[in-house]
Amino acid sequence: GIQVEQSPPDLILQEGANSTLRCNFSDSVNNLQWFHQNPWGQLINLFYIPSGTKQNGRLSATTVATERYSLLYISSSQTTDSGVYFCAVVLKTSYDKVIFGPGTSLSVIP
Amino acid sequence: NAGVTQTPKFRVLKTGQSMTLLCAQDMNHEYMYWYRQDPGMGLRLIHYSVGEGTTAKGEVPDGYNVSRLKKQNFLLGLESAAPSQTSVYFCASSYSNRRTYYGYTFGSGTRLTVV
Repeated sequence: GIQVEQSPPDLILQEGANSTLRCNFSDSVNNLQWFHQNPWGQLINLFYIPSGTKQNGRLSATTVATERYSLLYISSSQTTDSGVYFCAVVLKTSYDKVIFGPGTSLSVIP
Repeated sequence: NAGVTQTPKFRVLKTGQSMTLLCAQDMNHEYMYWYRQDPGMGLRLIHYSVGEGTTAKGEVPDGYNVSRLKKQNFLLGLESAAPSQTSVYFCASSYSNRRTYYGYTFGSGTRLTVV
């Protein structure tokens, strides 16, 4: 089956710093999503991004589908950005299934 | 507009007991999913449904059954709970234009402990 990898697994940032999270996937995908799980466990969809670049405030994401990776950029990080960031892919061969990566755990310290 | 509601939020079961987790969504979404989340393993798809009356297996379906008798509800059942089923369970829903997904919304989770 498809492999979804995320790096780094853990990240600690000083408030105000920038960061880049990476998601690699092993097969062609129909769509890719980024989620944030806050420290209380709530999961929020950040981006649907099968290809190209999108921006939402301090967050932006880029997916290069031909090279099978996606990047999530966090600028001017805040303590509220802490939590786990997941990428999830929708397979081209089975559009019903959404497969999650293992996540990147981010801690932003004041 | 409540979104996706999961009940219960917490439960402790003894090995061998059965229980049903309920997921309800009020967004008229076609698709519904059950995931389990274990430390260091992200979210793994248990079962999913592409519409009322339909269900399909995900990555880790063994030991679980599901039903989608009404479009808004998706039930996850454990017939004989095992300690390996201790986990946090998330329900999600979405809609699709047959090529991609939109509106992916998660419930707040159910923390299940099997002793």
